[in-house]
Amino acid sequence: EIVLTQSPATLSLSPGERATLSCRASQSVSAYLAWFQQKPGQAPRLLIYDVSNRATGIPARFSGSGSGTDFTLTISSLEPEDFAVYYCQHRSTWPLSWTFGQGTKVEIK
Amino acid sequence: QMQLVQSGPEVKKPGTSVKVSCKASGFTFSSSEIQWVRQARGQRLEWMGWIVVGSGTTNFAQKFQERVTITRDLATSTAYMELSSLTSEDTAVFYCAAGGSYSDFDYWGQGTLVTVSS
Repeated sequence: EIVLTQSPATLSLSPGERATLSCRASQSVSAYLAWFQQKPGQAPRLLIYDVSNRATGIPARFSGSGSGTDFTLTISSLEPEDFAVYYCQHRSTWPLSWTFGQGTKVEIK
Repeated sequence: QMQLVQSGPEVKKPGTSVKVSCKASGFTFSSSEIQWVRQARGQRLEWMGWIVVGSGTTNFAQKFQERVTITRDLATSTAYMELSSLTSEDTAVFYCAAGGSYSDFDYWGQGTLVTVSS
């Protein structure tokens, strides 16, 4: 089973700063790597799918990149509404299953 | 507008079962796949299993395989997740999610809090 490890656990930044979140897989994964945002008391929301594609309505300040075992979510300039927990996710095709990372909390410094 | 509406909070005793519903609207339910995800307080999201609604085919995470059942009712566009042999570790919010144009988790229900307590 592929394990996703996110770092850092917590990122303390100010509005306007750049956020760089890492997701490392225990072995090379396919292009199915997604990122979700979750705010307190809310369901997760899809931000990025297939490594680098933004879902509908997601601002351009969010971008995804990476390949193999190392993936990155970048928020170019933090807005107040971006302070949340972010999860990466991978789909394995055999056996068919989905795995989430443990999350990175982006908090206001 | 695609929407998933889940049933309300539950309080259960250890060793019993819980059944959570997820009613879909705004899309063709019979052509969809519904996922179920568990999230204990302050913990990561855990995929539990999914159902291919049209065929009724299910697939489960190994961790939950012995205890979870996922079903659907095409007449009411509702999916169900039943978890048995509950322990305190199952105190969590359970989410259903549906695939869309982008991923297998494009749309999410609001979550259902299940509390397991004696």
